[in-house]
Amino acid sequence: GAGVSQSPRYKVTKRGQDVALRCDPISGHVSLYWYRQALGQGPEFLTYFNYEAQQDKSGLPNDRFSAERPEGSISTLTIQRTEQRDSAMYRCASSQQENTEAFFGQGTRLTVV
Amino acid sequence: GQQVMQIPQYQHVQEGEDFTTYCNSSTTLSNIQWYKQRPGGHPVFLIQLVKSGEVKKQKRLTFQFGEAKKNSSLHITATQTTDVGTYFCAGRVTSGTYKYIFGTGTRLKVLA
Repeated sequence: GAGVSQSPRYKVTKRGQDVALRCDPISGHVSLYWYRQALGQGPEFLTYFNYEAQQDKSGLPNDRFSAERPEGSISTLTIQRTEQRDSAMYRCASSQQENTEAFFGQGTRLTVV
Repeated sequence: GQQVMQIPQYQHVQEGEDFTTYCNSSTTLSNIQWYKQRPGGHPVFLIQLVKSGEVKKQKRLTFQFGEAKKNSSLHITATQTTDVGTYFCAGRVTSGTYKYIFGTGTRLKVLA
């Protein structure tokens, strides 16, 4: 695609519900990153993939958070049993290879009420 | 844990003045990237520095990577209103993983 696409752009969910956030990277990009960004803060690393392999998940806050990229393209970040503290902008980025520039999507604004 | 701090947090300048933001890591970095995020937008890649002491220029922007690879700076000469935004550094802190730790950011306002 022309750029990194994330959906939905906005998600309001009730506390305790599960949510799935989708990222469609730039076609052909090997690496895909997930970040969380609070207002006025820098992006906080969550996890990243090369192709379908999850290379580093050290930034996932707890076991309610998981991510997958089964066919090495689209990725899903799932948050189970959401809590209010999960409210944030979730950003996805992709890059051609691991150590090249990352292109960010517009993000998904998650609000847990 | 691994931290990447930036100073200042905020900077207001008159159009035409210079601006510098500094990025400091608690650990040695493998390489560092710089991003710009406009208000309401997403981070946009500016540059990557890899070598100790490296200096790169992009028009009015000058990027430096410290000799010890623990700090970096971004200098903008003669700011313009289009330079408004938040500037982030992002350091790859450990070899073996390509996880990038973003700095706290410097928010720049340019007064016309």
